[in-house]
Amino acid sequence: DVKVTQSSRYLVKRTGEKVFLECVQDMDHENMFWYRQDPGLGLRLIYFSYDVKMKEKGDIPEGYSVSREKKERFSLILESASTNQTSMYLCASSPPVREQYFGPGTRLTVT
Amino acid sequence: DQQVKQNSPSLSVQEGRISILNCDYTNSMFDYFLWYKKYPAEGPTFLISISSIKDKNEDGRFTVFLNKSAKHLSLHIVPSQPGDSAVYFCAASESNAGNMLTFGGGTRLMVKP
Repeated sequence: DVKVTQSSRYLVKRTGEKVFLECVQDMDHENMFWYRQDPGLGLRLIYFSYDVKMKEKGDIPEGYSVSREKKERFSLILESASTNQTSMYLCASSPPVREQYFGPGTRLTVT
Repeated sequence: DQQVKQNSPSLSVQEGRISILNCDYTNSMFDYFLWYKKYPAEGPTFLISISSIKDKNEDGRFTVFLNKSAKHLSLHIVPSQPGDSAVYFCAASESNAGNMLTFGGGTRLMVKP
């Protein structure tokens, strides 16, 4: 049974703070993804990684960076949080086949 | 420009009846389609998928239909149960884009007892 965990379920940060969101998967998956979910917009891809130290920009990478130092861990970094980054952040992992497995999400509020 | 669209933000259905959720796409290179279900405060969970070489895939109460010429897919849930109440996302991918998925905006399904 695939397990994807995210470090926090709820997070409140101030504008300008640096924010780290951690994601860990236990299935040795090559691919990992970070999305944000906003009402009516579905899930939008921020960044993804297909191997350790590899990363690629998704559809909305501005204001974000990522780190993948180990295969099981994929971190999303908000260098200087802004109120328009208030959102639900979802991490996913997948093997080379198509289905992605999602973590429970982190609800981030930036005030 | 959204390549995957779910035009109905919400749908209300009586328990025991059929729920039909629709999804349209514009990218003709998409060749694999998935449906995810999401409860509040949880991550999306994979429900069912279909490859473009098929026009129907069935799994228990869930059936996905694909109409390639219309670039349209639909998810049928029969019979609908109150526990099916959730947000449903359709997603699409193309073989040449690795494992990237493009998601629709979601449809909130409410099944009334």
